[in-house]
Amino acid sequence: QVHLMQSGTEVKKPGASVKVSCKGSGYTFTSYGITWVRQAPGQGLEWMGWINTYNGKTNYAQKFQDRVTVTADTSTSTAYMDLRSLRSDDTAVYYCARRSPGPTSPRDVWGQGTTVIVSS
Amino acid sequence: SYVLTQPPSVSVAPGQMASITCGGNNIGDKSVHWYQQKSGQAPMLVIYYDKDRPSGIPERFSGSNSGNTAILTITRVETGDEADFYCQVWDRSSDQVVFGGGTKLTVL
Repeated sequence: QVHLMQSGTEVKKPGASVKVSCKGSGYTFTSYGITWVRQAPGQGLEWMGWINTYNGKTNYAQKFQDRVTVTADTSTSTAYMDLRSLRSDDTAVYYCARRSPGPTSPRDVWGQGTTVIVSS
Repeated sequence: SYVLTQPPSVSVAPGQMASITCGGNNIGDKSVHWYQQKSGQAPMLVIYYDKDRPSGIPERFSGSNSGNTAILTITRVETGDEADFYCQVWDRSSDQVVFGGGTKLTVL
């Protein structure tokens, strides 16, 4: 059974960083990319970036280009999303999702989401 | 940047048909995916590549894409279909993934 398991809720102060993990199971991790999407309270889905887990190539949304880093550890089948210089408007649920090869491919399996709260 | 426009809300009575639109410049030239997100849950893929259904998604869900509009159609709507629906494409010119703003489907 294909599954993406994310790390737990994080509470951070403004200016800090957060690192969210996403562990894949039930499939060959390096055969699919991992996408990160966030959802602020009461808002829609917002794409943040993507990593090719086979070769480590990344692509980030222009909005987050200078604050986000996505990495993958193939030995543990885990992807990570690191967001720096947190602000209150970064408070959101952060999702990872699996993507087949090819930029037009859909996100077919999603993690359960990780809540990040940024508050002083 | 590429913009996808969805109506904020659609209401339909049980047993009727619901159509949710996703507008974008020449969206018919792109591959559109649709996600359903029920309250408090993660999104779930319901239509991919304009019209294909993942295993486990009822035949009541269908999709089309032409010109400047993609459409998600749900026939014989059930109360359990109530959710937010999002369309998504990849914009080649910017190499960015784009989501529509989402449509809340209410089953009256």
